[in-house]
Amino acid sequence: NAGVTQTPKFQVLKTGQSMTLQCAQDMNHEYMSWYRQDPGMGLRLIHYSVGAGITDQGEVPNGYNVSRSTTEDFPLRLLSAAPSQTSVYFCASSRQMNTEAFFGQGTRLTVV
Amino acid sequence: AQSVTQLGSHVSVSEGALVLLRCNYSSSVPPYLFWYVQYPNQGLQLLLKYTSAATLVKGINGFEAEFKKSETSFHLTKPSAHMSDAAEYFCAVSEKGTASKLTFGTGTRLQVTL
Repeated sequence: NAGVTQTPKFQVLKTGQSMTLQCAQDMNHEYMSWYRQDPGMGLRLIHYSVGAGITDQGEVPNGYNVSRSTTEDFPLRLLSAAPSQTSVYFCASSRQMNTEAFFGQGTRLTVV
Repeated sequence: AQSVTQLGSHVSVSEGALVLLRCNYSSSVPPYLFWYVQYPNQGLQLLLKYTSAATLVKGINGFEAEFKKSETSFHLTKPSAHMSDAAEYFCAVSEKGTASKLTFGTGTRLQVTL
């Protein structure tokens, strides 16, 4: 059982470039979320989804877009990368509201 | 808005000693509370969760936490530390009715020494 799979694991971008961080889960979970982890700040919610076709903003949504066309996939798009977006990004999924969230292994992104 | 405070960004204990990691929350409604552990270069793994059943919650790897509403606390404990417990620990809160939107504390890095 793969769980939550994130690709790529590492990425270096130049300022202004765009890219998509992929997230897929095979547990048929309705809820999916994206977090960023920065030193001394814990994890902060970027965007989340309560089901296919439904997304909403979290605490730090600026500079990121999401869509949820299928239950399995929840990609995160950086429209124009900035150095402030250098971080480790985690995708998570959960079966229902307020149940255990399962996390992917993370994507370490560096913007130069 | 809900928030989580973890006192102590770094905690060091000797192997075999008591582990106590502190977590206080603020929430306008009774929350769900979670402790996650993160090993180096890995994702987060659930240790335990409080969902308004028993106030003393037992988790994996010998950890437990007690929900104290009067103190708005959910401290994590383990009677005897093991070297393999060295990791970063995050407390998180989710208000009832929110769609698994977790608010995390800033984390506590646990070091275990011989």
